[in-house]
Amino acid sequence: IAGITQAPTSQILAAGRRMTLRCTQDMRHNAMYWYRQDLGLGLRLIHYSNTAGTTGKGEVPDGYSVSRANTDDFPLTLASAVPSQTSVYFCASSLKGQGANTGELFFGEGSRLTVL
Amino acid sequence: SQQGEEDPQALSIQEGENATMNCSYKTSINNLQWYRQNSGRGLVHLILIRSNEREKHSGRLRVTLDTSKKSSSLLITASRAADTASYFCATRGSTGGGNKLTFGTGTQLKVEL
Repeated sequence: IAGITQAPTSQILAAGRRMTLRCTQDMRHNAMYWYRQDLGLGLRLIHYSNTAGTTGKGEVPDGYSVSRANTDDFPLTLASAVPSQTSVYFCASSLKGQGANTGELFFGEGSRLTVL
Repeated sequence: SQQGEEDPQALSIQEGENATMNCSYKTSINNLQWYRQNSGRGLVHLILIRSNEREKHSGRLRVTLDTSKKSSSLLITASRAADTASYFCATRGSTGGGNKLTFGTGTQLKVEL
């Protein structure tokens, strides 16, 4: 089934540890995004990539890094996790990037991360 | 900062009734989108309305957009228990660095049998 796959679905992590959330899409979409969802705050954009080889910062980029080596994969790395990064993380993609007239976003099922 | 703010935060109705959710935003937009999220799942796109459109329909969904008031509404007619979910509006800015898709905090809809 075409779509976005995120891994892991859930993870408990000790503070200070490094963690990479994986995201893969098979729709050949140009743009990909990472959002975090927190109760009462909705979804906030962490980083995005308009096309392979480029990335940009969203609303809450601190403490996170991304890479976009190819069209399909867009991993999100927490170099040294802190408790405030406890959240549900969603990867998404769209056919076009944010610089264009972007249409709908397709979302993965989320990765629930708890930092203790 | 949130661009879109939904109202109400929570809504409980009986099956068969209509559900109306509102979204207000702050800056000029290119388009506005509505998404649905079932508990524990990812968001699913419902409908997109462009800034030059005033109303759009998709099945039991009706979306209106009033750019002068910077607001949109989502109407679900003849609601079903399966419509129970959170609904989010998202706005696409129309200028330069604001050209991003920004989500509101959502409306939790519960449809009771």
